[in-house]
Amino acid sequence: AAGVIQSPRHLIKEKRETATLKCYPIPRHDTVYWYQQGPGQDPQFLISFYEKMQSDKGSIPDRFSAQQFSDYHSELNMSSLELGDSALYFCASSPSVGTNEKLFFGSGTQLSVL
Amino acid sequence: AQTVTQSQPEMSVQEAETVTLSCTYDTSESDYYLFWYKQPPSRQMILVIRQEAYKQQNATENRFSVNFQKAAKSFSLKISDSQLGDAAMYFCAYRSARGGADGLTFGKGTHLIIQP
Repeated sequence: AAGVIQSPRHLIKEKRETATLKCYPIPRHDTVYWYQQGPGQDPQFLISFYEKMQSDKGSIPDRFSAQQFSDYHSELNMSSLELGDSALYFCASSPSVGTNEKLFFGSGTQLSVL
Repeated sequence: AQTVTQSQPEMSVQEAETVTLSCTYDTSESDYYLFWYKQPPSRQMILVIRQEAYKQQNATENRFSVNFQKAAKSFSLKISDSQLGDAAMYFCAYRSARGGADGLTFGKGTHLIIQP
């Protein structure tokens, strides 16, 4: 079965640089969520999209933005990177009908800011 | 806002024995979902089990079962016949059933160690 695909798996950036993380949800899933998990921390909700519109917003810094495209894939754009942005970034998807309470997670993008 | 509390940062169990991981939560909602996710060293988030709040019957998935006490807002995970592959971080998570794209609220996690 198809899973949530995230790219890249690993990303190394310098302070003040920008980064773009991509997420491809499971086919027919129209809702995408982004989470940030710092070292030894629990995942923190950043933002979600439903049918290409921002649906809910968590603790996402103003330096970050995200969008969902017509094919339902999503991109998380991160600017002016700081050392504290080093984390594992998860994307998850869910359908709006059926088992919509379940979130299916990708393998994450490990971002290291040097 | 909902909160999820896992009071056990780390648990250790002998292989083949049973272990229970604790989780409590706070919410003013009556309809919601509760989950246990497993995160092995690969850091993949894997759904272990889920419970609908409106169901009184405790969910079971093979060696994994929950003890859901709605009035006490408690949702513990029991792992029977522990195996080495069960070693991981376990996160308890809450999700509102009100619809929309509300994300999950996670607890801080419990690190489960399996002793051979």
